[in-house]
Amino acid sequence: LAKTTQPISMDSYEGQEVNITCSHNNIATNDYITWYQQFPSQGPRFIIQGYKTKVTNEVASLFIPADRKSSTLSLPRVSLSDTAVYYCLVASTGGAGSYQLTFGKGTKLSVIP
Amino acid sequence: KAGVTQTPRYLIKTRGQQVTLSCSPISGHRSVSWYQQTPGQGLQFLFEYFSETQRNKGNFPGRFSGRQFSNSRSEMNVSTLELGDSALYLCASSPTPLAGTYQETQYFGPGTRLLVL
Repeated sequence: LAKTTQPISMDSYEGQEVNITCSHNNIATNDYITWYQQFPSQGPRFIIQGYKTKVTNEVASLFIPADRKSSTLSLPRVSLSDTAVYYCLVASTGGAGSYQLTFGKGTKLSVIP
Repeated sequence: KAGVTQTPRYLIKTRGQQVTLSCSPISGHRSVSWYQQTPGQGLQFLFEYFSETQRNKGNFPGRFSGRQFSNSRSEMNVSTLELGDSALYLCASSPTPLAGTYQETQYFGPGTRLLVL
């Protein structure tokens, strides 16, 4: 079972780029990494997903190095509305079509004016 | 499209009681997953249902059970409640089953906050 580790909290000023790293040991070649954003009193919201190199969408980028021991969520030019908790999720394929989902403990991002 | 809805939003129970939580997925979504979120353990996967069948289950005791109906709505039941069951219970829906590889985006509901006294 993959184990994931994230920083507990981070602070950033508005307009800066923020990088949040999730460390995940012994993940398999095809295991996927997904990042979610969660605001208070709401369920998590999907941000981005990938399993190798770099993925970019309209709100974020995801970098996964060749050794796949970590992944980094990059949020360009954050605003106050990006203040939230960010979770990484590792989805691992098990035997006979099963899978395991392992969430990180979350990183609380505070954006400062 | 309406989002994932969960009822009730808040619930207070006492130890030993049982509780049933309900989740209505996004229209057309056939996969419903349940998660427990606590300050200490974070987000933990409970189980997933697809086409009325449980496909996978997390590491939780048998007191936690669920089911899915033909209209894809799902219920989760916790019997013999313990203080440690106090948590936010989230459900998420997806058009296709979850997998360890690429998966369709899961859409989460707002959760049911359960307090066990």
